[in-house]
Amino acid sequence: QKEVEQNSGPLSVPEGAIASLNCTYSDRGSQSFFWYRQYSGKSPELIMSIYSNGDKEDGRFTAQLNKASQYVSLLIRDSQPSDSATYLCAVNRDYKLSFGAGTTVTVRA
Amino acid sequence: DTGVSQDPRHKITKRGQNVTFRCDPISEHNRLYWYRQTLGQGPEFLTYFQNEAQLEKSRLLSDRFSAERPKGSFSTLEIQRTEQGDSAMYLCASSLTSGKSYNEQFFGPGTRLTVL
Repeated sequence: QKEVEQNSGPLSVPEGAIASLNCTYSDRGSQSFFWYRQYSGKSPELIMSIYSNGDKEDGRFTAQLNKASQYVSLLIRDSQPSDSATYLCAVNRDYKLSFGAGTTVTVRA
Repeated sequence: DTGVSQDPRHKITKRGQNVTFRCDPISEHNRLYWYRQTLGQGPEFLTYFQNEAQLEKSRLLSDRFSAERPKGSFSTLEIQRTEQGDSAMYLCASSLTSGKSYNEQFFGPGTRLTVL
């Protein structure tokens, strides 16, 4: 079993729609959770951090965490063509990040 | 405010050669990390430093890999006797340990290594 699993893509959404990304993790000792955006050929860029159960909103992004279900999600509202990228879920334990393989999102104009 | 920087950005080498990469973290960050990313995968943890101390190394890191952070500022990652399987993007990240920090790591642009 992989430590961090993300829903397989690619995910194609029309401009203005909501993109929903999911992630599950296996280590119950995980301490904090992150979403990174990675454009093709570039390095990961941190877009959301979440540490406690519930929702966290930042602009058009909402992260949700459910530690009991070992589940993290990211919603992108009002999707824009510039949101087209690979989104990586990362889980932190003891200062070491474990990443999922990523979900590629394409926003259709 | 400068982010994490890495040098070189691209490196092409022949199998068997040694290569060295440099990472300069965000200036006030005390933790520095190295990851490796291959096509279609997320980054894989290699090693990390708190100040100048190397605190953990991944089992993925063979004896051909060595990392240093001599003065607690920049870090180098050396790969000896490169193999074609070492071809990947090598990413450096840094973070600040503080009372409210949950280990947000910020990545540099990466060094793309191609071993011929």
